Amino acid sequence: AQSVTQLDSQVPVFEEAPVELRCNYSSSVSVYLFWYVQYPNQGLQLLLKYLSGSTLVKGINGFEAEFNKSQTSFHLRKPSVHISDTAEYFCAVSGSNDYKLSFGAGTTVTVRA
Amino acid sequence: DADVTQTPRNRITKTGKRIMLECSQTKGHDRMYWYRQDPGLGLRLIYYSFDVKDINKGEISDGYSVSRQAQAKFSLSLESAIPNQTALYFCATSDYPGGAGANVLTFGAGSRLTVL
Repeated sequence: AQSVTQLDSQVPVFEEAPVELRCNYSSSVSVYLFWYVQYPNQGLQLLLKYLSGSTLVKGINGFEAEFNKSQTSFHLRKPSVHISDTAEYFCAVSGSNDYKLSFGAGTTVTVRA
Repeated sequence: DADVTQTPRNRITKTGKRIMLECSQTKGHDRMYWYRQDPGLGLRLIYYSFDVKDINKGEISDGYSVSRQAQAKFSLSLESAIPNQTALYFCATSDYPGGAGANVLTFGAGSRLTVL
């Protein structure tokens, strides 16, 4: 079974600064990787996904993530954040033949002016 | 209207009461899921259903039951609620990916349950 570790529970950041959210997974099989975002009082929505191909994946709202198989990581980055990026971010993994996602504990990003 | 609608959005109840959380979807997806979110624990899968006749336990199904009344409806029940079931509950749907596709979930807005 896959598992996900998000290395930071809270990330405070100033507006227009870059941000990186770290995610490591453990799996011995081929995986699909995801980042979801949860804005306050809302459900989760998909930011981006890695299925295969290019290891650099671009998502919505200027986010991107890089799949690193040797380090079993899938870190999320944004070069310049906005106040509206304040949210909780979840990394998730599933096996390529699996039906369900395993989620990390989440990283709360707070953007300050 | 939202693609995935959960009712109620908020509920406060007492220990021992029976509670039902309802989920309906307009996505036309076959697969439906119930997750529970607790601070610092992320989301954990309670039950999932791949079609009306298919119900499966997730990783934390004890104390919960589900019913798939139709392709579009999937309800979660707590037969006798207890305080440690206080949490935010999410319903999600996905389409059968096929091929090299992946299970991309569409979430409802959540149902916050407090058990006193």
